[in-house]
Amino acid sequence: EAGVVQSPRYKIIEKKQPVAFWCNPISGHNTLYWYRQNLGQGPELLIRYENEEAVDDSQLPKDRFSAERLKGVDSTLKIQPAELGDSAVYLCASSSRTGEYEQYFGPGTRLTVT
Amino acid sequence: AQRVTQPEKLLSVFKGAPVELKCNYSYSGSPELFWYVQYSRQRLQLLLRHISRESIKGFTADLNKGETSFHLKKPFAQEEDSAMYYCALSGRGNTGKLIFGQGTTLQVKP
Repeated sequence: EAGVVQSPRYKIIEKKQPVAFWCNPISGHNTLYWYRQNLGQGPELLIRYENEEAVDDSQLPKDRFSAERLKGVDSTLKIQPAELGDSAVYLCASSSRTGEYEQYFGPGTRLTVT
Repeated sequence: AQRVTQPEKLLSVFKGAPVELKCNYSYSGSPELFWYVQYSRQRLQLLLRHISRESIKGFTADLNKGETSFHLKKPFAQEEDSAMYYCALSGRGNTGKLIFGQGTTLQVKP
């Protein structure tokens, strides 16, 4: 099994440009998470989905960030416009359900904003 | 405030030496505690969780509620243990939100 798939793996953009990240969770996993990991820090949750519903987006900067999970499978995280401080690794994770302790992480997308 | 603190950014030991990766937490209530590990060029993955009380790859961790700590220990380090280790907590009932510490790089020298 491929595990959680993310693309692209790397992205370099200029500030004020838009960017989007894509995630395909493990088949059958209802819960999907987006994390941001700044250099030298642990991951921080941005948003959590139960199927297609965003049940926790309290940490998502809604002025520039948006996310969607159509049909409760794949998810897209978008930043528009990007700022220098958005440079980070964006991680997607999934679990079979809320309450399932083990989250399976994707390889991440490393974003560099210049 | 909910917080996880890993005081050491880097821990360097020789092969065969004991290892203790420190983790302290702040949480009002009864948290669930975890250790995640990321080996070089691999994904972040669960190493162990306190409720299962199991030993994984020779590592153990005991939750000390009095000291609000969840230190990760191994009696004899191996070179393949070299990795980044993250301590994380989740609230009772597991809303799914993991709060991670800053991580500790373990370097095991031959």
